[in-house]
Amino acid sequence: DTAVSQTPKYLVTQMGNDKSIKCEQNLGHDTMYWYKQDSKKFLKIMFSYNNKELIINETVPNRFSPKSPDKAHLNLHINSLELGDSAVYFCASSQVPGVAGGYTFGSGTRLTVV
Amino acid sequence: AQRVTQPEKLLSVFKGAPVELKCNYSYSGSPELFWYVQYSRQRLQLLLRHISRESIKGFTADLNKGETSFHLKKPFAQEEDSAMYYCALSGPPWQTGANNLFFGTGTRLTVIP
Repeated sequence: DTAVSQTPKYLVTQMGNDKSIKCEQNLGHDTMYWYKQDSKKFLKIMFSYNNKELIINETVPNRFSPKSPDKAHLNLHINSLELGDSAVYFCASSQVPGVAGGYTFGSGTRLTVV
Repeated sequence: AQRVTQPEKLLSVFKGAPVELKCNYSYSGSPELFWYVQYSRQRLQLLLRHISRESIKGFTADLNKGETSFHLKKPFAQEEDSAMYYCALSGPPWQTGANNLFFGTGTRLTVIP
């Protein structure tokens, strides 16, 4: 069974559109994350949710908004997409915030804005 | 299918001792391999990548295509090396698709004073 699953795997869309990426984990973890991987393969954290509380919110544009309907889901909604938003987005989860239990990552969503 | 295996979930060594974190991969093409590190309550960060052939914080890793391994090594461990280490693999998008970066499950390294 997939521990952390993201959908879709590929997303191609035009500038100005609004899109969402979904993430679900079946590990019973308390914390979920969204990372953005840039062209140099560096992973930058965007958001972290613990028990529906946003605990990390790096300097990302407010066009990006995480939505967590329950502990097992953390979706990423993006408004007014821009060319620079093209990247691979990774969802991850862990038992507690930080590194105590290690991260389990999803397989990534490649977003291409044209 | 691509796969990254880190056989050790936990690894403890004494300060000053050599350390080796194992990573094996499965990939049919020519992969790019990385090591990521996460110190306590900090974000995951790139430690090194095999194409750079560099030494970061005393760590080195050599890609061994024959053994399909990319083990991370340091001759003398320091207390500040205690962290979670992730091995990761990447391939060209046309080979790996959207799953451009595959992570191992991680190894927690503890350096004992």
